[in-house]
Amino acid sequence: NAGVTQTPKFRILKIGQSMTLQCTQDMNHNYMYWYRQDPGMGLKLIYYSVGAGITDKGEVPNGYNVSRSTTEDFPLRLELAAPSQTSVYFCASSYRGTGDGGEAFFGQGTRLTVV
Amino acid sequence: EDKVVQSPLSLVVHEGDTVTLNCSYEVTNFRSLLWYKQEKKAPTFLFMLTSSGIEKKSGRLSSILDKKELFSILNITATQTGDSAVYLCAGAGKSTFGDGTTLTVKP
Repeated sequence: NAGVTQTPKFRILKIGQSMTLQCTQDMNHNYMYWYRQDPGMGLKLIYYSVGAGITDKGEVPNGYNVSRSTTEDFPLRLELAAPSQTSVYFCASSYRGTGDGGEAFFGQGTRLTVV
Repeated sequence: EDKVVQSPLSLVVHEGDTVTLNCSYEVTNFRSLLWYKQEKKAPTFLFMLTSSGIEKKSGRLSSILDKKELFSILNITATQTGDSAVYLCAGAGKSTFGDGTTLTVKP
């Protein structure tokens, strides 16, 4: 099983550029999440989705946008990249919400550097 | 604002030692506490705890939740070098993570 697949694995962006981080899961999970992890820190929730067509903000949504047009895909869009967005980005999915006992499965991460 | 605090931030032990990792939380609409292990890349799930006082166990790892005092502990007995990792706890709620405990197990 592929599980949660993120692309690209690495990316360098210049300040002001835009990009989309792709995330797809093949487990038919309703819930999907985007986190960022700065060095030595835990994960911060950026956005999450409880199903196709439904998204909501997490702790640190500023500078990002998401969409969820299908169950499988949950892309994260960065507009006008800033050095503060240099981080490792993880996408995750779960069958139920983590609060309801839904174990989250993570992708392998995207390491983004903004210069 | 939801908050999850882990301690210690880092720990160095020798193989065979027993370690206890701590996680305290203040989470709105708390439903469960989750522990993850993060080695080089993505976190992998260890435990989910919802009820106070009930120990979850998996091999040499065990965890327990105290909902009255708002904390959880993760115990690892007879540590091995393969246990070296960052251990993350998360309160759900909205899935708020602590900053993790970095465990290094020396041979």
